[in-house]
Amino acid sequence: NAGVTQTPKFRILKIGQSMTLQCTQDMNHNYMYWYRQDPGMGLKLIYYSVGAGITDKGEVPNGYNVSRSTTEDFPLRLELAAPSQTSVYFCASSKRTGIYEQYFGPGTRLTVT
Amino acid sequence: DAKTTQPPSMDCAEGRAANLPCNHSTISGNEYVYWYRQIHSQGPQYIIHGLKNNETNEMASLIITEDRKSSTLILPHATLRDTAVYYCIVRPESSGNTGKLIFGQGTTLQVKP
Repeated sequence: NAGVTQTPKFRILKIGQSMTLQCTQDMNHNYMYWYRQDPGMGLKLIYYSVGAGITDKGEVPNGYNVSRSTTEDFPLRLELAAPSQTSVYFCASSKRTGIYEQYFGPGTRLTVT
Repeated sequence: DAKTTQPPSMDCAEGRAANLPCNHSTISGNEYVYWYRQIHSQGPQYIIHGLKNNETNEMASLIITEDRKSSTLILPHATLRDTAVYYCIVRPESSGNTGKLIFGQGTTLQVKP
């Protein structure tokens, strides 16, 4: 049981490039989330999903897209990368009901130059 | 949605209890208080949550005042491995059944030998 896994761990992008951050969970959780964390700050919610085929915006969705075709996977797409997207990205998942305890992945550190 | 206020930093001696306060004076009747922590560079980790009653688990205790306007997370015997940023989060009523959490700045707890 690996929990929440994220790839890659690190990535450097040039301005204007695109990439997909991968997130997979093996706990059969319905809910999944993407957060970003800028240096010295708390986490900000980018997008979330309450089940396959259902996604919604969080606090800071601009510049990102998501899809949820399976329960296990929740990729985050960056189109036209900008320096403001330099951050650490965390994926999380939780059960559909109850306390909504979120399990986090190890993060992807992204630098856009 | 209720806001939380935490001190930016605290120190604690190893082996002593660490008491981390959180103010949430605008909390509404059915909003839960959650605590997470983030050890350097890792994804956040769930600690405990509560609604009205005090709660205890293997990691910590949560004391919520009777008027629910504030709470205290207690780590009974802090170790060096408890050095982390601790986030007090009120799950917003607007999150409905999505499980969304809004992270603030948190308290940096430094446990010293």
